[in-house]
Amino acid sequence: AQTVTQSQPEMSVQEAETVTLSCTYDTSENNYYLFWYKQPPSRQMILVIRQEAYKQQNATENRFSVNFQKAAKSFSLKISDSQLGDTAMYFCAFMKQSNAGGTSYGKLTFGQGTILTVHP
Amino acid sequence: KAGVTQTPRYLIKTRGQQVTLSCSPISGHRSVSWYQQTPGQGLQFLFEYFSETQRNKGNFPGRFSGRQFSNSRSEMNVSTLELGDSALYLCASSLTMGSTTNEKLFFGSGTQLSVL
Repeated sequence: AQTVTQSQPEMSVQEAETVTLSCTYDTSENNYYLFWYKQPPSRQMILVIRQEAYKQQNATENRFSVNFQKAAKSFSLKISDSQLGDTAMYFCAFMKQSNAGGTSYGKLTFGQGTILTVHP
Repeated sequence: KAGVTQTPRYLIKTRGQQVTLSCSPISGHRSVSWYQQTPGQGLQFLFEYFSETQRNKGNFPGRFSGRQFSNSRSEMNVSTLELGDSALYLCASSLTMGSTTNEKLFFGSGTQLSVL
């Protein structure tokens, strides 16, 4: 079974500054995906960024980037130029790829979440 | 294009009752999965449906069940409600089961269930 650990229950950052959220995971799988999701007060989960384990290059999406260390099983999220709208709960999530080469895209294992507050 | 729609948004039930929650995926999406979110246990996978068949199931008791219809809409049912079933229930949809590159999983806003 997979586990995902987010060791920072809460973080805060000043507007326009950079913040990094930590995530570690444990798995015996070699092929998998990692995600960061954002859950604002509206409660809707929004995909922030996705990383395929077989790719060495770290994923980036505008102000969001990851530091993926496969050997260390670490997957941190860096938010640059933080904005007030980034205030939300952030979840790290793991999804394994099936042996048949397909993917069960709905079965995610989530971490406990990090509440991020961006201050003006 | 409409997003994932979950109804109702809020629900209050008493112990022992049963409840049915509904999820309409994004048009064209064939995979629907369900999650339970509580402050204590966090987000936990319930089950996943694709083409009306349950493909994956999480570690929940048999009181939790679901189904998917031919139009991909899904329902989940919880029978004999317990206080611990109070949670936010989230539904997510995707085009397939991840067989296409860059496929994404889209979540609804959830149904908040309170069991008294």
